[in-house]
Amino acid sequence: DGGITQSPKYLFRKEGQNVTLSCEQNLNHDAMYWYRQDPGQGLRLIYYSQIVNDFQKGDIAEGYSVSREKKESFPLTVTSAQKNPTAFYLCASSLRTGGTEAFFGQGTRLTVV
Amino acid sequence: AQTVTQSQPEMSVQEAETVTLSCTYDTSESDYYLFWYKQPPSRQMILVIRQEAYKQQNATENRFSVNFQKAAKSFSLKISDSQLGDAAMYFCAYSQYSGGGADGLTFGKGTHLIIQP
Repeated sequence: DGGITQSPKYLFRKEGQNVTLSCEQNLNHDAMYWYRQDPGQGLRLIYYSQIVNDFQKGDIAEGYSVSREKKESFPLTVTSAQKNPTAFYLCASSLRTGGTEAFFGQGTRLTVV
Repeated sequence: AQTVTQSQPEMSVQEAETVTLSCTYDTSESDYYLFWYKQPPSRQMILVIRQEAYKQQNATENRFSVNFQKAAKSFSLKISDSQLGDAAMYFCAYSQYSGGGADGLTFGKGTHLIIQP
């Protein structure tokens, strides 16, 4: 079945450590996205990539980094510079054409202690 | 920057009744797309309905329909014959096409829909 896989579902890290969240898709989509969801805040765009080896900052990119070495993969690293990293993270993908449906993964809940 | 506002943090409706969720947005663009996404307790985001701004006809998907008022920048979702499975967070979202590709969605803060049996 085609879809987006995020792993792990739950992640715990100590404060000050970098952590990488995985996102893989087999939908042959060019565009991929990372969103952060906090209670009462909706989803906010962290980074997005429209093609391999290219990505752009979203609205809240500070403290995060990404790479796009393969079409299928778009990992997100939460660095120690991110002041409030505890959140629910959602990865999505879509065709590059405007207005097409974005398909979402099931999310990763990151807790930093 | 575009903004999306959902003024109803929570709504409650009796099963089989009709409910309308409100959404307004702000943009200087003339060509864009609007969406309603549903997030049930599983937290999986599911597309409910989509509207292209250049289309005057309101989108409809079975029991779900929208009232798109471009001049007023309003995009409400009507759910008819509400069912228990409709209980979820509903997010209104905006997207535009920059020419280089899809730039990502701008979301409202969501409306928590409760269905009373």
